[in-house]
Amino acid sequence: SYVLTQPPSVSVAPGKTARITCGGNNIGSKSVHWYQQKPGQAPVLVIYYDSDRPSGIPERFSGSNSGNTATLTISRVEAGDEADYYCQVWDSSSDLVFGGGTKLTVL
Amino acid sequence: EVQLVESGGGLVKPGGSLRLSCAASGFTFSNAWMSWVRQAPGKGLEWVGRIKSKTDGGTTDYAAPVKGRFTISRDDSKNTLYLQMNSLKTEDTAVYYCTTDSDPRSGYHDAFDIWGQGTMVTVSS
Repeated sequence: SYVLTQPPSVSVAPGKTARITCGGNNIGSKSVHWYQQKPGQAPVLVIYYDSDRPSGIPERFSGSNSGNTATLTISRVEAGDEADYYCQVWDSSSDLVFGGGTKLTVL
Repeated sequence: EVQLVESGGGLVKPGGSLRLSCAASGFTFSNAWMSWVRQAPGKGLEWVGRIKSKTDGGTTDYAAPVKGRFTISRDDSKNTLYLQMNSLKTEDTAVYYCTTDSDPRSGYHDAFDIWGQGTMVTVSS
């Protein structure tokens, strides 16, 4: 089965850049989507197809995907960005897979 | 307004059954591939399964942990998605979300931009 590996936690100071990685075998050949989830709320799509932003998502959110790692980058981090972030792909053998999630803490 | 509203959650004993519903509005439900995603308390997101639109065959796919116990169905006349859960186990305890991709690309329907608020299912004796 296909496995997506995310760091359990990332910490960043306000105004700095946060990078959250998502590792998977040859993930660069797949389309990666990223979700933000705040406590008690449903997930929100923040990046889709590796690097596209849905309407309403700030330009501070960006994504990249190459080789065995996809990355969600959040520039000029704000307190309101504190949340859990999940990557997700579709794999021909495992169907739809989520990463384990990364808790972003804004210091 | 685009909306998904789940209902039907509750407390059920191990081995029991429960049916969840998800009412859709604000988009063409009959064209949508619909999925269920769950989240156990304090845990991450887990895809449960999907049902394709009838024009795309109306077929279903399930994650391994629920295959053979859960059944996804849809009633396009009522704009409603269902999740029939049988032989429930304690590990099925989770918030269950219905979700969909409103802008599929090149045959992919898995960038979930519409989510319901979730309904809690607790399996306990």
